[in-house]
Amino acid sequence: DAMVIQNPRYQVTQFGKPVTLSCSQTLNHNVMYWYQQKSSQAPKLLFHYYDKDFNNEADTPDNFQSRRPNTSFCFLDIRSPGLGDAAMYLCATSRDQSGYTFGSGTRLTVV
Amino acid sequence: ILNVEQSPQSLHVQEGDSTNFTCSFPSSNFYALHWYRWETAKSPEALFVMTLNGDEKKKGRISATLNTKEGYSYLYIKGSQPEDSATYLCASHGSGSARQLTFGSGTQLTVLP
Repeated sequence: DAMVIQNPRYQVTQFGKPVTLSCSQTLNHNVMYWYQQKSSQAPKLLFHYYDKDFNNEADTPDNFQSRRPNTSFCFLDIRSPGLGDAAMYLCATSRDQSGYTFGSGTRLTVV
Repeated sequence: ILNVEQSPQSLHVQEGDSTNFTCSFPSSNFYALHWYRWETAKSPEALFVMTLNGDEKKKGRISATLNTKEGYSYLYIKGSQPEDSATYLCASHGSGSARQLTFGSGTQLTVLP
C-alpha cells in the first residue's frame, strides 16, 4: 500500500547530540511537511518542501534543518537538541493543495 | 496567519451516547476545512475535506457540517463506540500561496464501555 513511513517510532537522544528523523513516501506526492506537536498543543508547521523548494516557517528555530534528497525522502535534523525539543514529530505529504497523508510520527525524548 | 480553535479540549462519553465538537477558523480567504482522526500509535487518518458553505458530509456514524461565513465546523458522532476513542483534529488553509494546513489542538475523545 502506498504510504508515509517515519523512522524510528521512538527516538531518545542526549541533550546537545545531533539527531536525524526520517520520512519516506511511496505516494509520489510533490509536497512534504514536518510538523512538531507538543503535548495538548496544535501540530506546528516547521517547514515544507514544495518539490525541491524549501519553505521555512519564520519562527522555526535555526537548530532545525531539513533535507530532501529526492521525491521520496525527507529528513529532519536537529543540530543540538534541547529539553524543549522533546515532542512528537509528524511528517506529511500532499499533492499540491490536497489533503495530507501522514506518517505515524516519531516521538523524540531528550535526556 | 490562521488561528484554528477546537473545543472542548477533551471529552469523555459513555458508549452509545452521541456527541459533537467544534472547530472555528477565520472565514476570510477560506479554501478548505479538513477533519482528521488520530488514534494512539497510528497515523492521523483523513475523515473529511469540506469546501462549500453548508456542506454536510457523512462517513458511517460520523458526520460534519461547515459554515464558511461564520467560520465554524461541527463534527458529530452518533452512538459512540470505544473504537471511536481518538483525538480529532481539524485544519484549515487559505487560498493562494498558503499551501500548508494550520491545525487546531484537537479534541481528545474517550468513549467509556
